[in-house]
Amino acid sequence: AQSVTQLGSHVSVSEGALVLLRCNYSSSVPPYLFWYVQYPNQGLQLLLKYTSAATLVKGINGFEAEFKKSETSFHLTKPSAHMSDAAEYFCAVSPPGGYQKVTFGTGTKLQVIP
Amino acid sequence: KAGVTQTPRYLIKTRGQQVTLSCSPISGHRSVSWYQQTPGQGLQFLFEYFSETQRNKGNFPGRFSGRQFSNSRSEMNVSTLELGDSALYLCASSLEGLDSTEAFFGQGTRLTVV
Repeated sequence: AQSVTQLGSHVSVSEGALVLLRCNYSSSVPPYLFWYVQYPNQGLQLLLKYTSAATLVKGINGFEAEFKKSETSFHLTKPSAHMSDAAEYFCAVSPPGGYQKVTFGTGTKLQVIP
Repeated sequence: KAGVTQTPRYLIKTRGQQVTLSCSPISGHRSVSWYQQTPGQGLQFLFEYFSETQRNKGNFPGRFSGRQFSNSRSEMNVSTLELGDSALYLCASSLEGLDSTEAFFGQGTRLTVV
């Protein structure tokens, strides 16, 4: 069984401040982990993914995430928030390799305050 | 290249009716996954098709069904609609599967059941 827990359904940051969105996972096998972003009335866009290579993963739009096995975490960070980062972010997990069902977290809405 | 196309974008149906949603994946992609997104339940996996075969299935009642055609286009059908079926239905296409390669999501079909 696999699951992800996103801490905080809403996060507010000031423009230029650090963005930190938290995700903890549970998986019986070494997982693949993903972060997706969803803008209003849009589908999901992949930001980055961890597939057991480097533990620090860099994605698009300046985001990165670090896989920490000891903490079962995969938090998403960005050094400086932009207004355009306001969206909903989803963490997701799947068993590794092949074709497997991906399980999504409940999402975190990021508000960027000017 | 063209993205994932979902039609229609918006749909209003009456309880008891049935509905068919369509998803055209990116050219060359053989995997199509379907998700239901609601404010209360988040993103829930419906099923995944690969080369016309259902490979994975979520925990939805039999009223939810799908199929994939030889050109990889996929349809999902919901029969005997209930108010709780109101949701944004998202499909995602990828080469091999949602976990193994980058997946691309469509903009979704927003279904309202009245």
